[in-house]
Amino acid sequence: SYELTQPPSVSVSPGQTASITCSGDGLGDKYVGWYQQRPGQSPVLVIYQDDKRPSGIPERFSGSNSGNTATLTISGTQPLDESHYFCQAWDTSTVIFGGGTKLTVL
Amino acid sequence: EVLLLESGGGLVPQGGSLRLSCAASGFSFSRYPMTWVRQGPGKGLEWVSGISGDGSSTFYADSVEGRFTISRDNYKNVLYLQMNSLRAEDAAVYYCAKETRYGSSTTDWLDPWGQGTLVTVSS
Repeated sequence: SYELTQPPSVSVSPGQTASITCSGDGLGDKYVGWYQQRPGQSPVLVIYQDDKRPSGIPERFSGSNSGNTATLTISGTQPLDESHYFCQAWDTSTVIFGGGTKLTVL
Repeated sequence: EVLLLESGGGLVPQGGSLRLSCAASGFSFSRYPMTWVRQGPGKGLEWVSGISGDGSSTFYADSVEGRFTISRDNYKNVLYLQMNSLRAEDAAVYYCAKETRYGSSTTDWLDPWGQGTLVTVSS
C-alpha cells in the first residue's frame, strides 16, 4: 500500500520560515493536501492540490510538490501556527495520510 | 455555513457494535461524497471509509473491511458508520468530513470536518 512519510517534529523561531516535508514514491505525480490540527481541535485544510490555499487561509501558508517530496512552507511563522500538520494524497479511491509533524514555534 | 455534527460514540465492549451518525447542514448533501476518518489517542489520522454522493459506491480501509459499513440517508442529510466486531485498536475519535472539489481541481479534499465523536472499546 502507498505510504507518506513526514518528520515527527520540526522547530522554528517566531518570524522565521518553517518547512515540513512529506515523501512518497512518485508523489510528484499525485496531488497533495495539507491539514492543520491544533490541540483538541479538528483538522483544517490549509493547502490543496499541492499549492493552493482555501479561502480564509493566510498567505504565509504555501506548498510545493515535485519528484518524491511535497513541502508545506510557513513564512513568518507565528506562535498560533504551532500545531500538528498532516499531508494527504489519494491512492486510487482511498485517502492516504502522512504520520503527521508537530510544529513547535519557540 | 457547512456544519457536520457527529454523534453515537461511547463505551463499547470488545466484539460489540456501535453506529455513528453525522448530521450535515448548509450544503446540498446528496451532491457530495463523504468520508470517515479516525484518530487514535495520541496518534495520527487514519482514513476509514468513503461513500459517493448517491451512496452507490463505498470504500473501506483494509483494517475495517468486512466489519464496518458506511451508508447515508440523503433525505435526512445524515451519514452513518455501522461498526461491528469492535477491537481495542478501533478506539479513536471518529470524524466525518465532506469531500470538496475546489475550482478546476480534479481531486476531492476533506473540508470541512466535524468535531468528532469518541469511541472507547473496553476489554
